Amino acid sequence: NAGVTQTPKFQVLKTGQSMTLQCAQDMNHNSMYWYRQDPGMGLRLIYYSASEGTTDKGEVPNGYNVSRLNKREFSLRLESAAPSQTSVYFCASSALTSGTTETQYFGPGTRLLVL
Amino acid sequence: GDSVTQMEGPVTLSEEAFLTINCTYTATGYPSLFWYVQYPGEGLQLLLKATKADDKGSNKGFEATYRKETTSFHLEKGSVQVSDSAVYFCALTPNSGNTPLVFGKGTRLSVIA
Repeated sequence: NAGVTQTPKFQVLKTGQSMTLQCAQDMNHNSMYWYRQDPGMGLRLIYYSASEGTTDKGEVPNGYNVSRLNKREFSLRLESAAPSQTSVYFCASSALTSGTTETQYFGPGTRLLVL
Repeated sequence: GDSVTQMEGPVTLSEEAFLTINCTYTATGYPSLFWYVQYPGEGLQLLLKATKADDKGSNKGFEATYRKETTSFHLEKGSVQVSDSAVYFCALTPNSGNTPLVFGKGTRLSVIA
């Protein structure tokens, strides 16, 4: 099992460019998440998908869109990148179902620099 | 809303010193509590968890006890090693529904030989 994989590992964009961050998990998990990590801010939830076919906004969704392509894949899109979106992005998944508490498994992260 | 407060770092300790990282929470109901660890250049991984009051989570020599009366989940280790140098995150999630984790801001630990 590869667990949670993310591509790319590192990306540099110019302001206004668009890109999609890819995430896939091979653990048959129902729920998937996108976080951003900034110095002194901890992890902040951007969007999550509790199950295939559903997505919900998290704490900081502005400037981002997501697609739950299938049970395995959950992509994050920046339509018009801004320097404020310079961050490390983490994807996570869990087997979370209603009424239970499950561990989240994290990918290795994507470092994004917007110039 | 639910929130987690951790002691600010960085924390620098000598090898074999005792470690405590404080974590308190605010939540409705009875959340589950977690400690995640992030080693340099990696994603987060679960260190330990506790799902109800008075539970003690433990792993790799680390321990934390769910204290409902003080709304706390402090992380402790009796003797730290250089390999414990990492960022530690306290987190919570309600015990029902599909609500994602709420993280604290993280505490960086550096252990020197």
